Amino acid sequence: GENVEQHPSTLSVQEGDSAVIKCTYSDSASNYFPWYKQELGKGPQLIIDIRSNVGEKKDQRIAVTLNKTAKHFSLHITETQPEDSAVYFCAASYSGGGADGLTFGKGTHLIIQP
Amino acid sequence: GAVVSQHPSWVICKSGTSVKIECRSLDFQATTMFWYRQFPKQSLMLMATSNEGSKATYEQGVEKDKFLINHASLTLSTLTVTSAHPEDSSFYICSASQTGSEAFFGQGTRLTVV
Repeated sequence: GENVEQHPSTLSVQEGDSAVIKCTYSDSASNYFPWYKQELGKGPQLIIDIRSNVGEKKDQRIAVTLNKTAKHFSLHITETQPEDSAVYFCAASYSGGGADGLTFGKGTHLIIQP
Repeated sequence: GAVVSQHPSWVICKSGTSVKIECRSLDFQATTMFWYRQFPKQSLMLMATSNEGSKATYEQGVEKDKFLINHASLTLSTLTVTSAHPEDSSFYICSASQTGSEAFFGQGTRLTVV
């Protein structure tokens, strides 16, 4: 089955700086890579996703890049704000997200220092 | 985005009793629903996938007789934890999707077995 590795486990950045979280996956058949933000005691919230036919996607301060050859994808958050503090999970799926469950990375605790 | 609602948000039960958790898609018909379990400070682990009107598919190591899943309609799936024990205490999260689309997560249910 799929295996997703995520780094770092904890990331502390100054407010206003950029944050980068990286994930690798093992199965080249995976074709859907979402990123989720989870606040304490709540369910994950989709913040951005990318499919295997695209190399980069951006939504305001958030961007995701995908390197299919190397089987890794990254989340980039620019101009970080205190409300960005949360746990972020990357995930991978074979079916585009709808039919099969997601394999999650272990999560990154992002801390934005004021 | 679409809304997925879980109920209850938290529950405390006595060891040996059963607990039912509901997952509803409020504004779309979910062809597939997923159940995940998340232990403190850990990632989400897929427990089972259910399609409306058919039996759930359980991940390896998940006891189907202990975690009963029913997906009787396109908007409702239930997870029943039978004969609960303290080690079943966890955060249970459902997600729902339409065919080929992204999955949306509920807010989670905190189960504590005492």
